[in-house]
Amino acid sequence: EAGVAQSPRYKIIEKRQSVAFWCNPISGHATLYWYQQILGQGPKLLIQFQNNGVVDDSQLPKDRFSAERLKGVDSTLKIQPAKLEDSAVYLCASSLGVKETQYFGPGTRLLVL
Amino acid sequence: LAKTTQPISMDSYEGQEVNITCSHNNIATNDYITWYQQFPSQGPRFIIQGYKTKVTNEVASLFIPADRKSSTLSLPRVSLSDTAVYYCLVGGANQGGKLIFGQGTELSVKP
Repeated sequence: EAGVAQSPRYKIIEKRQSVAFWCNPISGHATLYWYQQILGQGPKLLIQFQNNGVVDDSQLPKDRFSAERLKGVDSTLKIQPAKLEDSAVYLCASSLGVKETQYFGPGTRLLVL
Repeated sequence: LAKTTQPISMDSYEGQEVNITCSHNNIATNDYITWYQQFPSQGPRFIIQGYKTKVTNEVASLFIPADRKSSTLSLPRVSLSDTAVYYCLVGGANQGGKLIFGQGTELSVKP
C-alpha cells in the first residue's frame, strides 16, 4: 500500500515570496491533516479536512496560510507571503476517519531567507 | 486536552530494554494514550495505543497503571535503528482525532 506522498521535499524561498505544498493521501482516507513542525518541537496541527470540508483550522494563520482539498483527495497548502518564522517542516497526514490512526508523509522542509 | 510530560532525552545501549515514562495527570475518562516514533527527516509513525493495563504489539509494549495518570512505553532489546524521538499523546474521540504533540523524548541508542 502506497503511503502519503508529499512534494516538493525541499524548498528555499525569500521572505515575502509565496510557496505551495502538495499532498496525496493514502487511497480511501477521508481525513487529511497538515502539520507544521519547527526544529526541535513536535508537530502542530494547522488544518484538518474531512473529505473536502474543513473540520478544524483554528491554528492556521489565515492571513497568510491557505489550504484546499477540492475533490476530497489531494490537498495543497499555500503560504503567501512567507515570513522567516515559517521555516519549518510541513507534514501531511491522512487517516480513514477522524478517530483512526494517522499516517504521515515525509514532509516538505521549507527554508525562508 | 490533557498535557503530557516526558523526559527530553534518554541514552541506551544496544540490546537493552528501554522504558520511557509519560505523565498525564489530567487525563480524561475517554482519553486514549498513543505513542508515535519519529526518525530524522521523516514524519511520525504510529507505534502503539492503549486505554488501560497493558498492550503489546510486535514493536513495543505499553503499560498503563490503574489511575491512568502515567504510561510507560517499553522497547525490548533496542538496536541502533531505534534511535528516534518518541512522542506520548493523550486524546479521545471527542477531540475529533486531533493530536497534540509535546516535545517528545529523544532516544539515543549507542553500540
